[in-house]
This record gives sequence, structure tokens and C-alpha cells, in this order.
Amino acid sequence: AQKITQTQPGMFVQEKEAVTLDCTYDTSDPSYGLFWYKQPSSGEMIFLIYQGSYDQQNATEGRYSLNFQKARKSANLVISASQLGDSAMYFCAMREYNEKLTFGTGTRLTIIP
Amino acid sequence: DVKVTQSSRYLVKRTGEKVFLECVQDMDHENMFWYRQDPGLGLRLIYFSYDVKMKEKGDIPEGYSVSREKKERFSLILESASTNQTSMYLCASSLRGSRQYFGPGTRLTVL
Repeated sequence: AQKITQTQPGMFVQEKEAVTLDCTYDTSDPSYGLFWYKQPSSGEMIFLIYQGSYDQQNATEGRYSLNFQKARKSANLVISASQLGDSAMYFCAMREYNEKLTFGTGTRLTIIP
Repeated sequence: DVKVTQSSRYLVKRTGEKVFLECVQDMDHENMFWYRQDPGLGLRLIYFSYDVKMKEKGDIPEGYSVSREKKERFSLILESASTNQTSMYLCASSLRGSRQYFGPGTRLTVL
């Protein structure tokens, strides 16, 4: 089974709208971490947000929030008030006990003016 | 600020050549990682290292080897490059239990 599943290969969103990028995960490890990274066309991987499996509250970082639903094993990224600069590839990733990250296949987000 | 640098942004090599990709980090991180990124497949882990001279295979180690002689440097080696190793290669480093910081990537083309 896929450890990280991102079911949206591409999304188009109007500028200033909120957008939700889906991510589901699969693990039997009770202690894990979930990450979202952004990759613009320049290729660099930019860390956005982190959620630990024991964290009681959903993580937030500025316009980014993580909608963490542990029972459903989902960790969706929400971007509020999207901007043209948000156009990029977005990757969800999970870290289990051994420091390794497993990545999803990514979602290409395009913001339309 | 953490800095992870990679020796080349773009590299073109011929089939059968030995290829070295270098990665250097300046924040005394214990962990270092090599990934390859291909369209539709996301990032896949090739090798990682917890400490100097330590290495562990990732999900796709075949055709690759690594070297970590100093804490700040982690090298990826393609012993005999093949066309199916044409890809984007990303290096990352982290402290134990912390997030990974990525380098700018090396786009390798094998002709």
C-alpha cells in the first residue's frame, strides 16, 4: 500500500480563494510526523508546515494550516487567500521512527489571476 | 540560516561514465539524504546517512553508492551511469528528529 497518497495531480484555483490539497497516509507506527513542502519552478524544496502525530491542535504557519484528521489518516494542507506566488508543486511527506521521509507524488497548483 | 549546497545545478554525462554528486551542509547535521525526483513519482530515497561513515539503503539504491567521510559532506556516486538515471537529484540534511533542509538540486542528463 502507498504510504502517502496525493490524489490531485493538478489543481487550478482563482487568486484570493482558499485551496485544500489532499493527503492521506498509512502507517502502523504510533509516533510519526507529517510535512508539507512547496517546490516552485526553480526546483528548491521549501518547508511549509509540520504536524506531529501526538499534537492536539492543527498546525498553522501564516496562510498555511494543516487539517489533521488522525482517525481518517489524512493531513490536508489549506492555503488561505491564495496568491500568484503559490503556484508550485506541493508535496506531502511522512516521517516514521527511522528519520526517513516518504513523499507523495505531489500536486501541481496553478493560481489563476 | 541552514545552507545545503550541491556541486552542480546541471550535469551532462555519457553512458558508462562514473559520476560524482557532492552535497555539503553547514549546520552540523547528523543526517544526510539523497533523493531522486521523477515526474509523477515524487521524491524517492536512494541512500541516507546517520553519521560519518554510516550509510543505509533507501528505497531505490540499485546503481548508486554513497560516501560520507566528513560530517558535512555526503557524496552520491553512479559507478556506471545509464540513461535511466537521468533525473533530478536532491540532497537534504537534518538534525535528529527535525525537519529536512534541501539543496537546490542537480539535474543530471545521461546520454
